[in-house]
Amino acid sequence: AQSVSQHNHHVILSEAASLELGCNYSYGGTVNLFWYVQYPGQHLQLLLKYFSGDPLVKGIKGFEAEFIKSKFSFNLRKPSVQWSDTAEYFCAVSRASGNTPLVFGKGTRLSVIA
Amino acid sequence: NAGVMQNPRHLVRRRGQEARLRCSPMKGHSHVYWYRQLPEEGLKFMVYLQKENIIDESGMPKERFSAEFPKEGPSILRIQQVVRGDSAAYFCASAGQNNQPQHFGDGTRLSIL
Repeated sequence: AQSVSQHNHHVILSEAASLELGCNYSYGGTVNLFWYVQYPGQHLQLLLKYFSGDPLVKGIKGFEAEFIKSKFSFNLRKPSVQWSDTAEYFCAVSRASGNTPLVFGKGTRLSVIA
Repeated sequence: NAGVMQNPRHLVRRRGQEARLRCSPMKGHSHVYWYRQLPEEGLKFMVYLQKENIIDESGMPKERFSAEFPKEGPSILRIQQVVRGDSAAYFCASAGQNNQPQHFGDGTRLSIL
């Protein structure tokens, strides 16, 4: 069975600090990888996805993630966070074949302070 | 384009009552997924449906829970004889063909008194 681990439960950063949120997954086959963001009171929005190709993926709002197959990792990064990045961030994985369900990590709450 | 529409946003039920949660997928999407989010937890998959078919219900409790996605109308997640432990946020997502990413609705927050 697939599983996703997000190592940080709550991260607090000052504005302009750099961000890296860890995500590791366990699954023996080919996977699709996702990062979703949930702003307070809103639905989950897709930040970025990896299906195949270049393991460095650029997403919206200046976010990027790198797929390292040997480490089963898909860490999310942003060079300089803003107050508006305060949200909950979820890493998710699905099997690469077909429209399969997502397996989510428990999420990381990011608080950005001025 | 309307996104994934879920209603109601908030639902309050007493123990033993039935809860019905509705989800209308994005236009053109035929794949619907239901997830449950408990406090301090990530989303857990419950059931995956296509029109009139349940494709995968491996995450759904065997008793009291059922889901459908009829030919016409929204997908329905039905919880019979609700208990306190059913209190959670229930999210619906939809996707188009060919392994496209899932788009999520705003969720229904179910509270059991």
